[in-house]
Amino acid sequence: DTEVTQTPKHLVMGMTNKKSLKCEQHMGHRAMYWYKQKAKKPPELMFVYSYEKLSINESVPSRFSPECPNSSLLNLHLHALQPEDSALYLCASKRQGGFQETQYFGPGTRLLVL
Amino acid sequence: KNEVEQSPQNLTAQEGEFITINCSYSVGISALHWLQQHPGGGIVSLFMLSSGKKKHGRLIATINIQEKHSSLHITASHPRDSAVYICAVETSGSRLTFGEGTQLTVNP
Repeated sequence: DTEVTQTPKHLVMGMTNKKSLKCEQHMGHRAMYWYKQKAKKPPELMFVYSYEKLSINESVPSRFSPECPNSSLLNLHLHALQPEDSALYLCASKRQGGFQETQYFGPGTRLLVL
Repeated sequence: KNEVEQSPQNLTAQEGEFITINCSYSVGISALHWLQQHPGGGIVSLFMLSSGKKKHGRLIATINIQEKHSSLHITASHPRDSAVYICAVETSGSRLTFGEGTQLTVNP
């Protein structure tokens, strides 16, 4: 199983809503990533979890709150988002988070904030 | 100037043509990755290189560490190769720095 799954595929939310994005992998990977990607731009790193601990937060606004309940699961909790947060949110994982490891990406959640 | 520069930004080819996408970088790296992103959004890792050349099917990737340059070649291109190809380099902390991507369109 070399798959990273993400749910939901699409999400429309208002600025006052609270929602969560979910990412799952069963490859035994211990590093998991959240990226944000705007149209026609490369992905931007948001958060990195290494062995279920937050190791990198790229100065992301607090309206995005990551959570890693176990080694297979990564959540991104969303609250009071702005329209400019509309983007494709990608999850990825790596075996141990070290150098020269392939990152496996999920299909993404396409988020629209109204 | 971006740390990772890709060229061309856009590329249109006829089916069967040989395609080359270039990537130059200006920082020290531990590895270089070539990624493919289809319109649906998902990203697939094609190659990870730290030296030399790798081949997978019709795809070939090369890297010249001294010149800080990598190329992705597609032989006998096909419309299903149409996608965005992204070069990404591993820098400090094993994080990826991405190029802006090359939009490839292969016409039948």
